Amino acid sequence: QKEVEQDPGPLSVPEGAIVSLNCTYSNSAFQYFMWYRQYSRKGPELLMYTYSSGNKEDGRFTAQVDKSSKYISLFIRDSQPSDSATYLCAMSAGGNNRLAFGKGNQVVVIP
Amino acid sequence: DAGVTQSPTHLIKTRGQQVTLRCSPKSGHDTVSWYQQALGQGPQFIFQYYEEEERQRGNFPDRFSGHQFPNYSSELNVNALLLGDSALYLCASIRTRGETQYFGPGTRLLVL
Repeated sequence: QKEVEQDPGPLSVPEGAIVSLNCTYSNSAFQYFMWYRQYSRKGPELLMYTYSSGNKEDGRFTAQVDKSSKYISLFIRDSQPSDSATYLCAMSAGGNNRLAFGKGNQVVVIP
Repeated sequence: DAGVTQSPTHLIKTRGQQVTLRCSPKSGHDTVSWYQQALGQGPQFIFQYYEEEERQRGNFPDRFSGHQFPNYSSELNVNALLLGDSALYLCASIRTRGETQYFGPGTRLLVL
């Protein structure tokens, strides 16, 4: 079983739709949960960060963490063509610890 | 505020050669990690440097080595290159007791 599972299937949605992404994990030591956005041929950009369980909202983005189910989600409301990118979930046991990543979801928002 | 910088941006090598990649961390950050991202995959942790010493290491062979300098910048060295080493190499930095790592733009390595 991989440490972090993220269904890598591409996702195409019309502009204005809600995008829903999720990851599951197996390592109970993970305490920090992140979503990174990566545009083609660029480095990952930190999008959202959550410590332990709970919800966090930032503009059109909402991150949810359910540690009891070892499940994290990212929701993008009112999606825009500029949101087209690959979204990577990542997690660690501590801020300075190694990050474990999912495979990433390629999202395409169609105008 | 300068972010994480990496050089070079692209590199082409042949099998068996050696390569050195460079990283300067974000201002105020003292810990540097290196990741390898193969095409269509998530980044894989190679190792982390703090106070000029390797503090953590992922599942990579000894052909991968690194160094951190007193100014916190870092190098990644890969010896005896294999075709499978072709990937985007990412550097990430974080400050002591920080909670999130910030990534550079990466170096794209192609091994022929």
